[in-house]
Amino acid sequence: DAGVTQSPTHLIKTRGQHVTLRCSPISGHKSVSWYQQVLGQGPQFIFQYYEKEERGRGNFPDRFSARQFPNYSSELNVNALLLGDSALYLCASSLWWGETQYFGPGTRLLVL
Amino acid sequence: SQQGEEDPQALSIQEGENATMNCSYKTSINNLQWYRQNSGRGLVHLILIRSNEREKHSGRLRVTLDTSKKSSSLLITASRAADTASYFCATAITNFGNEKLTFGTGTRLTIIP
Repeated sequence: DAGVTQSPTHLIKTRGQHVTLRCSPISGHKSVSWYQQVLGQGPQFIFQYYEKEERGRGNFPDRFSARQFPNYSSELNVNALLLGDSALYLCASSLWWGETQYFGPGTRLLVL
Repeated sequence: SQQGEEDPQALSIQEGENATMNCSYKTSINNLQWYRQNSGRGLVHLILIRSNEREKHSGRLRVTLDTSKKSSSLLITASRAADTASYFCATAITNFGNEKLTFGTGTRLTIIP
């Protein structure tokens, strides 16, 4: 079975631009979460979606938004990029809340 | 903010020795999960232990959970060079479909061949 997939793998943007990151969960998984990992730190929770509804939001500005589609794939959007948004963005899926979260390989975003 | 704090921050041992990492957290949890990360790549799930469990095993891994002390430990026995990685604990707080994993700062484990 395919694991969680994310695209693109790497991305370079300039300040003020917009970025869209994509995630496909493991087949059958209905919960998708997004995390930001800055170099040298643990991942920080951004959003969780379950059955296409936002179920949780971390302490991130409104420049960050996400959505989940009917096939349970998800997009993370970040507007007005700042240098501090440079990080590894991780997507994780699980069957439902309270179960193991399986992570994708991440998208490495560099903002110049 | 980081709920979990791993200890030590870095650990170097000889191949074949056992490695123990500890995690402390602050609030009540539903479960605690341990992950491994190689060189800034994606996280690999190791073990999930629920709040009503005290110990779990998976191959060379042993995880304990003490909810009274709000702490957990991960033991890797008979370490191998391939175990070199960063290890994170993550606490899960689940509430009516809302789940948030809060990660610690990680332990960087180096296995010396």
